[in-house]
Amino acid sequence: GAVVSQHPSRVICKSGTSVKIECRSLDFQATTMFWYRQFPKQSLMLMATSNEGSKATYEQGVEKDKFLINHASLTLSTLTVTSAHPEDSSFYICSARRTTLETQYFGPGTRLLVL
Amino acid sequence: KNQVEQSPQSLIILEGKNCTLQCNYTVSPFSNLRWYKQDTGRGPVSLTIMTFSENTKSNGRYTATLDADTKQSSLHITASQLSDSASYICVVIVADSWGKLQFGAGTQVVVTP
Repeated sequence: GAVVSQHPSRVICKSGTSVKIECRSLDFQATTMFWYRQFPKQSLMLMATSNEGSKATYEQGVEKDKFLINHASLTLSTLTVTSAHPEDSSFYICSARRTTLETQYFGPGTRLLVL
Repeated sequence: KNQVEQSPQSLIILEGKNCTLQCNYTVSPFSNLRWYKQDTGRGPVSLTIMTFSENTKSNGRYTATLDADTKQSSLHITASQLSDSASYICVVIVADSWGKLQFGAGTQVVVTP
């Protein structure tokens, strides 16, 4: 099956700093990548959808200036949490797919803790 | 209201026993339904994928069923193992241009020795 990686797997940062999370599709070209956030004992919540080379589409209630998404190539998308606050602490998961008709493959997730 | 409802919220079973998880959905238009297994601190991993016309799909000890008329699905785990302890998430894919995923809240399964 297709492999999606995320880096880092865990990050701890101070309040007010910015954190970048990378999502890579290792063995396929992903035309679309998705970013999710998951709080403890809750399901995944879609934050934004990004297509390679175009601006990301954010879900209602997600601040695009706070969560910067870049999908510069068919194998890499980045999520930057700017001016992080403790309430941004969460589990961030990306997924990727080749085409609309194909399944999404999920990354292993990144645990963010903002102190 | 969530368009994908799962039950039970959690369950504890003895190693070697069977269990069945339920998923009811109201998502429309429907494309397909998937069951994922998510270990703690990890991303979801696909177990089964079923389209409208499929009633049953197996993957090892996991068997999923789908009744598209009643909009219900189940995931049956046979002869549970300790490694089956995880959250099982029912996901319905919307038949739109985005192929958006609608997630259930998951069922937390704990298998005890």
